[in-house]
Parts: sequence; C-alpha cells; structure tokens
Amino acid sequence: DAGVTQSPTHLIKTRGQHVTLRCSPISGHKSVSWYQQVLGQGPQFIFQYYEKEERGRGNFPDRFSARQFPNYSSELNVNALLLGDSALYLCASSFKAQRGANTGELFFGEGSRLTVL
Amino acid sequence: KQEVTQIPAALSVPEGENLVLNCSFTDSAIYNLQWFRQDPGKGLTSLLLIQSSQREQTSGRLNASLDKSSGRSTLYIAASQPGDSATYLCAVSSSQGGKLIFGQGTELSVKP
Repeated sequence: DAGVTQSPTHLIKTRGQHVTLRCSPISGHKSVSWYQQVLGQGPQFIFQYYEKEERGRGNFPDRFSARQFPNYSSELNVNALLLGDSALYLCASSFKAQRGANTGELFFGEGSRLTVL
Repeated sequence: KQEVTQIPAALSVPEGENLVLNCSFTDSAIYNLQWFRQDPGKGLTSLLLIQSSQREQTSGRLNASLDKSSGRSTLYIAASQPGDSATYLCAVSSSQGGKLIFGQGTELSVKP
C-alpha cells in the first residue's frame, strides 16, 4: 500500500513568490496535517484538516494557508515567501475515528524541501 | 504550554552497545507519545507509539517506556548497529490524531 506521498520533493523559489505543496494521505485516512521543519530543529505544527475542515492551526502567519479536497488530499500554500520559510515541509495523515478509541498514530511523507533565495 | 525536551542532543557509540534515549514533557495530559526516526534529508518513520494508558511498547530491538506522572519516556535500543545511525525524535499529542509537539531530536551515530 502506498504511504503518504508529497510533491514536489525539492523546489527553489525567490523572495516574494508563492508556493503550493501537495500531499496525498494513506488510503482510508481522512485527517491530514502539515509541519515545518527547519534544519536542526524538530517539526513545528502548521495545520490540521479533517473532513475538509480546518481543525487546528499552529503559530504561523496568514501567509500560510491550506485546504483539503473531497478525496482527502491536501495543499499547503505559502504567499510572499521569506528567506526564513526555507525548510522541509512534512505532511502526515492519520485515521481519525468518529467514535471510539483510536491510536491516533501519525504517518509522515518524505517531505518537500523548499529553498527560498 | 507543552514543551518536549530530548537529551542528549547527540550521541556516538560503538557498534553492539545498548543505549537509551531520553524524552521529557512538561504537561502530563497527553493522548499518546510517538518515537520517530529521521534519516538526513528524509521524512519521519514511525517507530513506536505508546498510548497514555500504556507503560511500554516493543518492536524488535526497540523498547519505549512511558511514565506520565513524571513526564518522561525512554527509547531503549539493544545491540546497536551502524544502520541505526539517524536522528530520533519523540513527540506527544494531547488528542486523537491531533497536533504533535516534537522534541529537537537526538542525533545517533553508531560506529562500526
């Protein structure tokens, strides 16, 4: 079975540009979340989406936005790129049960490496 | 505000050693705790997940323990191998499938 897939794997942008990153969750997973990992640091939470609705947002500026589509894939958009946005952007999916207990285990993709010049 | 700390930041050991990686968190109201492995420039691979009601989980040469009351978890790696060289991250969640709060990781190097 395919894991979480992300595209593109690497990209280079210049300051002020816009970027769109894409994520396809594991089949059957309806929850998708996005994380930013700067070199040498642990990942930082950006967004969580479940059933196409935003369920959580981290401490990131409004230049960051995301959405989830009917097939549960997701996009992360970043406007007006800054040098400090250079990072590995990670997408994770999980199976979120409506009722009852669930492990809540998150599975991550390989990430999209963004370099802003 | 939940904070996660991992000690040590880096560790170098000879092949064959048993080793322990430490993770501490400030708020004991967690839903679960996950340990991940990250190879350079790659994504995160889930190693073990411990629910808040559990004390430990085992997978092969890996054993993770959880002490919620003291806000600590340890990852024990038995008989380390050069292929175990990677960064190990722990993360806690306060809800099912909710956001993870990560530590900064422990960079492990196992020398042949």
